[in-house]
Amino acid sequence: SQTIHQWPATLVQPVGSPLSLECTVEGTSNPNLYWYRQAAGRGLQLLFYSVGIGQISSEVPQNLSASRPQDRQFILSSKKLLLSDSGFYLCAWTGGAMNTEAFFGQGTRLTVV
Amino acid sequence: ILNVEQSPQSLHVQEGDSTNFTCSFPSSNFYALHWYRWETAKSPEALFVMTLNGDEKKKGRISATLNTKEGYSYLYIKGSQPEDSATYLCANTPLVFGKGTRLSVIA
Repeated sequence: SQTIHQWPATLVQPVGSPLSLECTVEGTSNPNLYWYRQAAGRGLQLLFYSVGIGQISSEVPQNLSASRPQDRQFILSSKKLLLSDSGFYLCAWTGGAMNTEAFFGQGTRLTVV
Repeated sequence: ILNVEQSPQSLHVQEGDSTNFTCSFPSSNFYALHWYRWETAKSPEALFVMTLNGDEKKKGRISATLNTKEGYSYLYIKGSQPEDSATYLCANTPLVFGKGTRLSVIA
């Protein structure tokens, strides 16, 4: 069966520090991968999605970046965190077709102080 | 990326009431419409993925309809229960979510 792992679960980072959140999927190949953020009092905002290795689409211009070094690995990064980067980050995957349901990781609560 | 709008933003109903919410989306370049249920402290879980105009899907007391020509989908909950309390999200392709409808069912 397919599983998705996302870590860490919580993170407190100072302003200006780097960020690396990792998401891996098991039990499937060539998934579509997604990074979302929920800021306080807001909905689920799509940050990046990827349909294959090295293929990243960015939906929101900001100081975050994403990479997909392996088929089932999706990494969210920042070189210098801002206070506004605080929020709840979710990774998700779907099958290759866009009409398949998404499965979400457990999320990372990031607090930038 | 085409935006998805959901209404109402929040809803309070009594246990046993039936309720429904709306998801609106641009009808051009439609591919699929997703509904998810998101409980506090948990990850969103898929309810339905709908692709065809006129589609109607049901899972227990929850059902959804789809009109791709006019760009809307309805989610219905029959006989609401306290455990139905959650945020209900809809999304179009490539999984761009609306802001959700927060449902609170009062016992």
